[in-house]
Amino acid sequence: DAKTTQPPSMDCAEGRAANLPCNHSTISGNEYVYWYRQIHSQGPQYIIHGLKNNETNEMASLIITEDRKSSTLILPHATLRDTAVYYCIVRVLNYGGATNKLIFGTGTLLAVQP
Amino acid sequence: GAVVSQHPSRVICKSGTSVKIECRSLDFQATTMFWYRQFPKKSLMLMATSNEGSKATYEQGVEKDKFLINHASLTLSTLTVTSAHPEDSSFYICSARGGGSNQPQHFGDGTRLSIL
Repeated sequence: DAKTTQPPSMDCAEGRAANLPCNHSTISGNEYVYWYRQIHSQGPQYIIHGLKNNETNEMASLIITEDRKSSTLILPHATLRDTAVYYCIVRVLNYGGATNKLIFGTGTLLAVQP
Repeated sequence: GAVVSQHPSRVICKSGTSVKIECRSLDFQATTMFWYRQFPKKSLMLMATSNEGSKATYEQGVEKDKFLINHASLTLSTLTVTSAHPEDSSFYICSARGGGSNQPQHFGDGTRLSIL
């Protein structure tokens, strides 16, 4: 799986948009970008994933650059409950097999400030 | 959304005890389940991958005789930490994925294991 690079920490004011960057310059054509977050002492929570088109759901938006070497997760209106570690992961999407596992990096600790 | 239930949420036991952790997919059939462990202030580390009805595939450095994984049905996988010692104390998290190629992994809320 391609390696990802994220800033170790970020701050965001409550109510403002949180933009979390991720660099995946060695991504392959068949690797998807996944975002998860982990609130303290809980299991990771799935947020969103995409291949090359921008994606949006009820939680967030995912913007992938045209060359797919980087992406940004956008939380449109951050709340205190969005304080968590956010993980950007790239993964091959196959019908099973060893390449289907999620390998977590160190992530970005997003602190939403009141 | 998809729900993965993990039980127990916390275990405290004496050194030498074997501990079993259950992971259940409540509203979907999990063809593949994953077990992770996480030390304080560290990221999740994948321990093993299991497919229903077959032997688990362990990551390098993970002792398969120490961490026994059973995935006997499409909704249940168990991790047994055999003869646990204080260094096995950690946060253990399971994850499950359905059979569709576009299905994300969903995680349980973890089990905090403390060996005295």
